[in-house]
Amino acid sequence: QQQVKQSPQSLIVQKGGISIINCAYENTAFDYFPWYQQFPGKGPALLIAIRPDVSEKKEGRFTISFNKSAKQFSLHIMDSQPGDSATYFCAASPNFNKFYFGSGTKLNVKP
Amino acid sequence: DVKVTQSSRYLVKRTGEKVFLECVQDMDHENMFWYRQDPGLGLRLIYFSYDVKMKEKGDIPEGYSVSREKKERFSLILESASTNQTSMYLCASESALSYNEQFFGPGTRLTVL
Repeated sequence: QQQVKQSPQSLIVQKGGISIINCAYENTAFDYFPWYQQFPGKGPALLIAIRPDVSEKKEGRFTISFNKSAKQFSLHIMDSQPGDSATYFCAASPNFNKFYFGSGTKLNVKP
Repeated sequence: DVKVTQSSRYLVKRTGEKVFLECVQDMDHENMFWYRQDPGLGLRLIYFSYDVKMKEKGDIPEGYSVSREKKERFSLILESASTNQTSMYLCASESALSYNEQFFGPGTRLTVL
């Protein structure tokens, strides 16, 4: 049983467009929600993260929107670039250290 | 920069063989993790360790064991490899001082024939 449900599985966006990836969870004990970015041949790397006391966090072109009541959070990539083409994983953690990852979204940004 | 290295990028083994996957981190992190990554399933936690000689089962520990004899090294062992253990294996480390970030190695692509 997947603790964090991620969609879509794959996404194609034109350069300059907005990429949106969604995640949902059920466990209300989750208190930390990171997004990881993985390029081919590399391990995932932390991109941006949010805690449930805020509804939005922005870092450059990347924004997390968090809806605590709906138990959903999403990653928005503004002005998407071909260099953003990667696989993105959302995750959630109920305590120190243990993460539950989503199934991943393969993003392809076309030039 | 934190560096997490894994002993092999690609590995091919036969069913029934004992397989060792090694992971080394150079940042003196207390916590280390082994995940497997499969298409459509994301990353699933196999085992993790908070300290030397300590280990905790993750979500899919069956068929695996681990060893942590030194702080910087965390090994994943497949006692008798099976074809359903063909996967990408990722090691990660994290400081116990804050749980903001897990640092991942590049992964080992294991094929069991």
